[in-house]
Amino acid sequence: DTGVSQNPRHKITKRGQNVTFRCDPISEHNRLYWYRQTLGQGPEFLTYFQNEAQLEKSRLLSDRFSAERPKGSFSTLEIQRTEQGDSAMYLCASSPPRAGVGTGELFFGEGSRLTVL
Amino acid sequence: AQSVTQLGSHVSVSEGALVLLRCNYSSSVPPYLFWYVQYPNQGLQLLLKYTSAATLVKGINGFEAEFKKSETSFHLTKPSAHMSDAAEYFCAVSVAGNQFYFGTGTSLTVIP
Repeated sequence: DTGVSQNPRHKITKRGQNVTFRCDPISEHNRLYWYRQTLGQGPEFLTYFQNEAQLEKSRLLSDRFSAERPKGSFSTLEIQRTEQGDSAMYLCASSPPRAGVGTGELFFGEGSRLTVL
Repeated sequence: AQSVTQLGSHVSVSEGALVLLRCNYSSSVPPYLFWYVQYPNQGLQLLLKYTSAATLVKGINGFEAEFKKSETSFHLTKPSAHMSDAAEYFCAVSVAGNQFYFGTGTSLTVIP
């Protein structure tokens, strides 16, 4: 297994356009997370899935953002009508099923960098 | 609510000197705590984690961290800095592994 894969790695778009990012998690990881990271800041939670169910969304996630994880495998994050403030690195992470009361860590992809002109 | 605060957005140490990166957490329930490292143009990778076992946790590359409940701290240390340790370091807190909250990061510079 080669780890969490994100595509595209870089995306430059004009304001108002729609963009979609894809994340392929580590196989058999049932949890998948999306984070946003801007320069000088830590990763900011956007949403997460357990299998195909979207269990939590950040209140910071506007209606222009939507995420899906059909069949509990890969996930997509779509941003509609992009704004310059959406420029950031979008990180995907996956986590294996928890065993007992223990907790697994997050395994991150290398991110998808979005630049909105 | 859970959160972490990293004191010092930039830390510089000389090669061979002690590395100390500070992290304080806030959690209403016993937390799980993590340190991640991010090298330039790479994804975040786990350095170490505390999950209510031993309070002194050893991680990769010679790093360790000590969970101190009385001080709500989880500071990261390394006895002797290497040039290859230059990176961004993030502290994170999780409750039951469902949600992870990250600090704003500390950029470590190692001076030759």
